[in-house]
Amino acid sequence: RKEVEQDPGPFNVPEGATVAFNCTYSNSASQSFFWYRQDCRKEPKLLMSVYSSGNEDGRFTAQLNRASQYISLLIRDSKLSDSATYLCVVNGGGNQFYFGTGTSLTVIP
Amino acid sequence: DTGVSQNPRHKITKRGQNVTFRCDPISEHNRLYWYRQTLGQGPEFLTYFQNEAQLEKSRLLSDRFSAERPKGSFSTLEIQRTEQGDSAMYLCASSLLSFGPLGSIQYFGAGTRLSVL
Repeated sequence: RKEVEQDPGPFNVPEGATVAFNCTYSNSASQSFFWYRQDCRKEPKLLMSVYSSGNEDGRFTAQLNRASQYISLLIRDSKLSDSATYLCVVNGGGNQFYFGTGTSLTVIP
Repeated sequence: DTGVSQNPRHKITKRGQNVTFRCDPISEHNRLYWYRQTLGQGPEFLTYFQNEAQLEKSRLLSDRFSAERPKGSFSTLEIQRTEQGDSAMYLCASSLLSFGPLGSIQYFGAGTRLSVL
């Protein structure tokens, strides 16, 4: 079983739509969780950390469900500039970090 | 530019040759990671340094791969006897050891794209 699993998509949504991504992880000892964004042929960049209580940053909301071992990302009022691949990242209980395969999002005018 | 710097940006080599990549992390960051990324996949962990000590290596890492961080600053990743399957983007990331989740945030360089012919 992979350490981190994501639906690769693609998700094609109209501008203004709300879209949600989920990611499951296998190691119950994982302590750190993140969402990164990666544009085509660019390096990954941190979008947001995911805290146990859930957290929001503008149009983006991240949640963690430890019992079911998944994290989620909700994007409201999608913009064209949100088009990218969204990577779920989980630490493996130590210092190794595991990335999902990424979920591709295209926001359509 | 005070971000993570990687050189070269692109490397084309023939099968069997050795290649070396360099990563300069953000100056105050004491943790440094190497990842490999192929098309359609997320970055795959290769190895991790805290200061000059290599603390973890992926069990998937072939013995043809070696990494160093001699003075706890820049790092090099060497691949010996390259194979076509080594073709990928090699990403370096750095972070600052501190308590709490902010200490785990990794900042990535632009990567070195390796093509093995």
